[in-house]
Amino acid sequence: AQSVTQLDSQVPVFEEAPVELRCNYSSSVSVYLFWYVQYPNQGLQLLLKYLSGSTLVKGINGFEAEFNKSQTSFHLRKPSVHISDTAEYFCAVSGNTGGFKTIFGAGTRLFVKA
Amino acid sequence: DAGVIQSPRHEVTEMGQEVTLRCKPISGHDYLFWYRQTMMRGLELLIYFNNNVPIDDSGMPEDRFSAKMPNASFSTLKIQPSEPRDSAVYFCASSSSPGGGPGNTIYFGEGSWLTVV
Repeated sequence: AQSVTQLDSQVPVFEEAPVELRCNYSSSVSVYLFWYVQYPNQGLQLLLKYLSGSTLVKGINGFEAEFNKSQTSFHLRKPSVHISDTAEYFCAVSGNTGGFKTIFGAGTRLFVKA
Repeated sequence: DAGVIQSPRHEVTEMGQEVTLRCKPISGHDYLFWYRQTMMRGLELLIYFNNNVPIDDSGMPEDRFSAKMPNASFSTLKIQPSEPRDSAVYFCASSSSPGGGPGNTIYFGEGSWLTVV
């Protein structure tokens, strides 16, 4: 079985400061990892994904994430946040389990303060 | 290209009434998902279809919930009878599977906000 744990439910940060949103996963098979963002009153949209290859993945809006197999982590980072980055961020995992099922974490609410 | 289209965007109904949520996936996508989002339980997968066939409905909460996909461009999620605890945001999403595999991006609609009073 696969699971995703997002270690922080809320992360407040000042504008232009760096931020890291933490995600750990568990899986018995090879995994594909995703970060999605949900702005207020909208659906989720993909920020970035790791399928294979380079462990550092760059996404939209200046976000990046690093896949760490030994620590089973896929933390999301941005060196300088903007007010407009205020949103909920979801880590997700899927894998070759014979089914097409993406498991989402509980979400981390990023609140960027002026 | 149009995204996933859901209707209604907002629905307020009385307990015991039937609720039908509708979804049009992105053209060419062969996977369709229904998710429910609440503060308490987060984002839950209710059911997903592949080529209009239900593959996994283990997330459907109970018999009051049913989902259909009569063709590749339309799906419904029905709740009958509705209860206050069904109040949530219901998302429809779709994905393609070129070459198969679970690494594909899921595209979400904007959600149907359901309130049962």
